[in-house]
Amino acid sequence: NAGVTQTPKFHILKIGQSMTLQCTQDMNHNYMYWYRQDPGMGLKLIYYSVGAGITDKGEVPNGYNVSRSTTEDFPLRLELAAPSQTSVYFCASSQPGLTNTGELFFGEGSRLTVL
Amino acid sequence: SQKIEQNSEALNIQEGKTATLTCNYTNYSPAYLQWYRQDPGRGPVFLLLIRENEKEKRKERLKVTFDTTLKQSLFHITASQPADSATYLCALGDDKIIFGKGTRLHILP
Repeated sequence: NAGVTQTPKFHILKIGQSMTLQCTQDMNHNYMYWYRQDPGMGLKLIYYSVGAGITDKGEVPNGYNVSRSTTEDFPLRLELAAPSQTSVYFCASSQPGLTNTGELFFGEGSRLTVL
Repeated sequence: SQKIEQNSEALNIQEGKTATLTCNYTNYSPAYLQWYRQDPGRGPVFLLLIRENEKEKRKERLKVTFDTTLKQSLFHITASQPADSATYLCALGDDKIIFGKGTRLHILP
């Protein structure tokens, strides 16, 4: 199993451009998350999904959009990129339940710079 | 709104001693709380989860306590080693999982 795969790993974007960060998991997890982490800071939740077709806002959703058409994929779309969106983005998945720990499995991160 | 606070940004501990990290939360009653380790340039890695009906949980040299009355979790690393140096994050939530800012732990040889 590859776990959680994020692409791209690095990207430079110009102000006003748009792009999509891809996230795929092969563990058949229902729950998926997008976080951003600024230097020296903790993770801030952008959006999350508890299953295909269901998405909810996190702590910092402005400037982002998500979709969840399949269990495996949870892309994050940045519209009209701004320098404040320069960050490391982490995707995670989990499968909570009585027999599971509910732990989050993280991807390796996507480092985005907006110039 | 829900808030998580981890007691200090950085903590220096002598090798062999016990490191204790604190996580406090407000405006929330989570069913469980989690602790993660994050090394520079890497994603967080799960360490322990403790449920609201559990007072204490252990895994090797790690121990977590969860006091739902105080709204606090303590994370202990006993017999600390330089390899334990990392940032430790607490996280809480059921569906919507949020993280604290983390505590950078330095184990001094």
